[in-house]
Amino acid sequence: QKEVEQNSGPLSVPEGAIASLNCTYSDRGSQSFFWYRQYSGKSPELIMSIYSNGDKEDGRFTAQLNKASQYVSLLIRDSQPSDSATYLCAVTAGRRALTFGSGTRLQVQP
Amino acid sequence: GAGVSQSPSNKVTEKGKDVELRCDPISGHTALYWYRQSLGQGLEFLIYFQGNSAPDKSGLPSDRFSAERTGGSVSTLTIQRTQQEDSAVYLCASSLNRAGLVMATGELFFGEGSRLTVL
Repeated sequence: QKEVEQNSGPLSVPEGAIASLNCTYSDRGSQSFFWYRQYSGKSPELIMSIYSNGDKEDGRFTAQLNKASQYVSLLIRDSQPSDSATYLCAVTAGRRALTFGSGTRLQVQP
Repeated sequence: GAGVSQSPSNKVTEKGKDVELRCDPISGHTALYWYRQSLGQGLEFLIYFQGNSAPDKSGLPSDRFSAERTGGSVSTLTIQRTQQEDSAVYLCASSLNRAGLVMATGELFFGEGSRLTVL
């Protein structure tokens, strides 16, 4: 079992819709959770972090965490073509290096 | 410089040769990480340096891989006797991680990567 699992996609949504990206993790001791965005041919960049159960909103982005279900998600409201990228879920479990999922490719259709 | 700098950006080598990849982190960042990313895959952790502590080498795939960080700044990742399966983009990242502060570990600033192709 992979430590951090994501559906590879592609997830295709029309412009203006809500995109929902999901991630599950195996280590119950995980403490910090992150979403990185990676455009094709570019390096990842941090877009959201979440540390406690519930929702965290930042602009059009909302991260959701449910530690009991070992589940973290990212919602993108009013999706734009510029949001088309691969979204990587990353987790720390008290170790100091992030463990990344394999990413979900999002395509926003104009 | 303003960001994490990696060199070379592209490296093509023959199977069996040694390669060195260099990373110059953001000034003042105490933590430095090496990951690799194969085509269409996620990031695979290789090694992590934090200040003067012993590095976390748990992700190195074989003893052909080694890394050092001199003076708490520049790092070099060395791959000996390269194999075709070593072909990937090698990403370096740095952060302001302070040991013990878990929440500080999340914001990694990545370089543009070194694309290694082993023929």
